[in-house]
Amino acid sequence: SQQGEEDPQALSIQEGENATMNCSYKTSINNLQWYRQNSGRGLVHLILIRSNEREKHSGRLRVTLDTSKKSSSLLITASRAADTASYFCATDDSGYALNFGKGTSLLVTP
Amino acid sequence: SQTIHQWPATLVQPVGSPLSLECTVEGTSNPNLYWYRQAAGRGLQLLFYSVGIGQISSEVPQNLSASRPQDRQFILSSKKLLLSDSGFYLCAWSVFRANYGYTFGSGTRLTVV
Repeated sequence: SQQGEEDPQALSIQEGENATMNCSYKTSINNLQWYRQNSGRGLVHLILIRSNEREKHSGRLRVTLDTSKKSSSLLITASRAADTASYFCATDDSGYALNFGKGTSLLVTP
Repeated sequence: SQTIHQWPATLVQPVGSPLSLECTVEGTSNPNLYWYRQAAGRGLQLLFYSVGIGQISSEVPQNLSASRPQDRQFILSSKKLLLSDSGFYLCAWSVFRANYGYTFGSGTRLTVV
């Protein structure tokens, strides 16, 4: 079942700009993860943030988690055309499988 | 290193025909295995997951089934495909449930005609 919901559904920016995507969820979680999917490909794991963490960085990626608001954000700094993809948040709520949102489609134009 | 193989990459099947999609994992033991389906422009729907050989849990009632005959092999099947079975099927594996993230296969694009 889907729990995460990304916002916006689509985002178009120019190279060099920052891209911010948000994810809201409904129940308590152990961790929240972000994935990237290039068109027609499988998903690639980007970053995992645990419920007791508030912020995490990986290269140009910055993820925040606010468990009181049940929300997370993914910031991609200095975007490149190669960042064009769909981005999904996924929550681990102690079930046996992750629950994925519908994703944000990011287009980065030169 | 761990790798995951999923095939075929694309498949066009007539309504009522059988289906068999295969997924294998290398470089790890006793992985958790998952089948997801992604409809066009939508999120991922969990179909099946397995925590061990012969152990299959179904999340969505449908005409699909899954089997895990070997530790690192996961098969998605159908006896008779429906038009609504069209979609992008993704296999994934993880260790320790989801605590370390999933590794996905490259997916199978299934079109039922």
